[in-house]
Amino acid sequence: GAVVSQHPSWVICKSGTSVKIECRSLDFQATTMFWYRQFPKQSLMLMATSNEGSKATYEQGVEKDKFLINHASLTLSTLTVTSAHPEDSSFYICSASTLSYEQYFGPGTRLTVT
Amino acid sequence: EDQVTQSPEALRLQEGESSSLNCSYTVSGLRGLFWYRQDPGKGPEFLFTLYSAGEEKEKERLKATLTKKESFLHITAPKPEDSATYLCAVPGPGGSEKLVFGKGTKLTVNP
Repeated sequence: GAVVSQHPSWVICKSGTSVKIECRSLDFQATTMFWYRQFPKQSLMLMATSNEGSKATYEQGVEKDKFLINHASLTLSTLTVTSAHPEDSSFYICSASTLSYEQYFGPGTRLTVT
Repeated sequence: EDQVTQSPEALRLQEGESSSLNCSYTVSGLRGLFWYRQDPGKGPEFLFTLYSAGEEKEKERLKATLTKKESFLHITAPKPEDSATYLCAVPGPGGSEKLVFGKGTKLTVNP
């Protein structure tokens, strides 16, 4: 149980284009979903927290207009990287939590912007 | 400020050589302590949740324990496939759902 999927697992896009990443909780309804990014050999960095039907709460320093988050249902959240640039290349990971504060992570999406 | 500190940063073991990883925390009103395993290029995999001092949980060669100040992840007779980074996390202050992570312990088990 408690499986979270992400799609795509990797994506390459050209600078200036937008990319959408989907995060789904497959066998449970998530009260909250989170988006992280991780650079090589570094810790997870929380980007934003989202609840179904509400606007996402972004961490300090994260550009809201660049990283658009939509949380359409209790099982689906999407992250859109708009006007992507090479510095946006990273490993993006979502997680979904239950009322017990446990977070279950997706497998991650490797984004490369050329 | 709530804080999670993991030690050691890195640990190399021979196959079959048991050891422990440490996670110390300073947080008021603990609402759970979580252990994860992360392999390179993958998202963290949930291992355990501990809620109260004295609690223990086991999964295969792993056993997690909790005291009022720290948690240990004991690895018994590890195998090379146990090599990974092990992360410890607690919920943030004030009822926050956000997790505060330690920096992790990178475990390498040599055959």
